[in-house]
Amino acid sequence: GAGVSQSPSNKVTEKGKDVELRCDPISGHTALYWYRQSLGQGLEFLIYFQGNSAPDKSGLPSDRFSAERTGGSVSTLTIQRTQQEDSAVYLCASSLGPTVSGNTIYFGEGSWLTVV
Amino acid sequence: SQQGEEDPQALSIQEGENATMNCSYKTSINNLQWYRQNSGRGLVHLILIRSNEREKHSGRLRVTLDTSKKSSSLLITASRAADTASYFCATVLTGGGNKLTFGTGTQLKVEL
Repeated sequence: GAGVSQSPSNKVTEKGKDVELRCDPISGHTALYWYRQSLGQGLEFLIYFQGNSAPDKSGLPSDRFSAERTGGSVSTLTIQRTQQEDSAVYLCASSLGPTVSGNTIYFGEGSWLTVV
Repeated sequence: SQQGEEDPQALSIQEGENATMNCSYKTSINNLQWYRQNSGRGLVHLILIRSNEREKHSGRLRVTLDTSKKSSSLLITASRAADTASYFCATVLTGGGNKLTFGTGTQLKVEL
């Protein structure tokens, strides 16, 4: 695709429900990242996938959060038993290769999650 | 505390003036990147500077990096109203894998 695609754009859910957020990276990009941004704040790293390597899950805030990347392409971020503090914009990004090698990271428009 | 901290938090200037934003970080980095964000949605990559570089230019943007002071600056020359946005610095830490660590951002407002 032309860019990183995320869905849904907006999601309102009731506290306690599970939500799934989807990310479709740029075709051919081996690296995929999930970040979240609370209102007026900087971005908080959640998880990073690189090719077939084990993901870096060091940023996931609790075991209610999980993510998978199927076939090295599409990724799904799942939040179980949502809580109000989970309300944020969830941003997905991808890059051709590792950013440590100088590869540019491209962000999607984000999924705005509101937990009521 | 944040790895990257931008200064100032907010900046308001007139169109045509230059805007300078600063970023400080705490630990050794592989590279530092600047991003722009409009209206709290997707980020746009502006420029990447490696730890062995001191200055880079891209159009009206100039980025400097001083690893001895652990700081970087982003200069936007001849600003335009369309430059109004939030600007974030992000670092790739040495030995920190491939994740970007973002600062809290500078909100720039360019007035006509």
